[in-house]
Amino acid sequence: AQSVSQHNHHVILSEAASLELGCNYSYGGTVNLFWYVQYPGQHLQLLLKYFSGDPLVKGIKGFEAEFIKSKFSFNLRKPSVQWSDTAEYFCAVTPSGNTGKLIFGQGTTLQVKP
Amino acid sequence: EADIYQTPRYLVIGTGKKITLECSQTMGHDKMYWYQQDPGMELHLIHYSYGVNSTEKGDLSSESTVSRIRTEHFPLTLESARPSHTSQYLCASRVTGGDGYTFGSGTRLTVV
Repeated sequence: AQSVSQHNHHVILSEAASLELGCNYSYGGTVNLFWYVQYPGQHLQLLLKYFSGDPLVKGIKGFEAEFIKSKFSFNLRKPSVQWSDTAEYFCAVTPSGNTGKLIFGQGTTLQVKP
Repeated sequence: EADIYQTPRYLVIGTGKKITLECSQTMGHDKMYWYQQDPGMELHLIHYSYGVNSTEKGDLSSESTVSRIRTEHFPLTLESARPSHTSQYLCASRVTGGDGYTFGSGTRLTVV
């Protein structure tokens, strides 16, 4: 069965620290990849997405992610986090060409200390 | 501004009651989805729709039902709520061929 695994459940960082959140998926075919963020009390928002082309994608708020096909990974990075990045982060996958069903990872809670 | 709306935001209800969670979008998206999310867990797809009069069950079995009589409206109904239904329910939509999913703010349901 298709699945998405996020390695870190809870991450605590100080401001200006670098961030990398791991995401691996299990699906042998072509996939579309997403990172969503959910700030406290708010709805899920799209951070960035990968469909094709350059495997290094840049999203909003200084986030980027790299798709490594051989490793089935799509890790999220940010060079210097801010207190306002405190949120829950979800990696999601949808196999290309299907109904568009998103398969989510279990989420990573990021807490940034000022 | 185009958006996706879920009501109510919070709901506490007694066991055995029938409830309907509302989801409406103003973007004309043809595909709509319902996800269930328990605290600290991933989102699980419970229902989806390709368009009007189309509904399918998702990957996670659910006792809820959905309907899609109008493009913009995708309500979810529990005929007899139970404490095991306590969860957060998220509605989402997208347009075929598009790459963006838009999520609602969710309904946090507590069944006592």
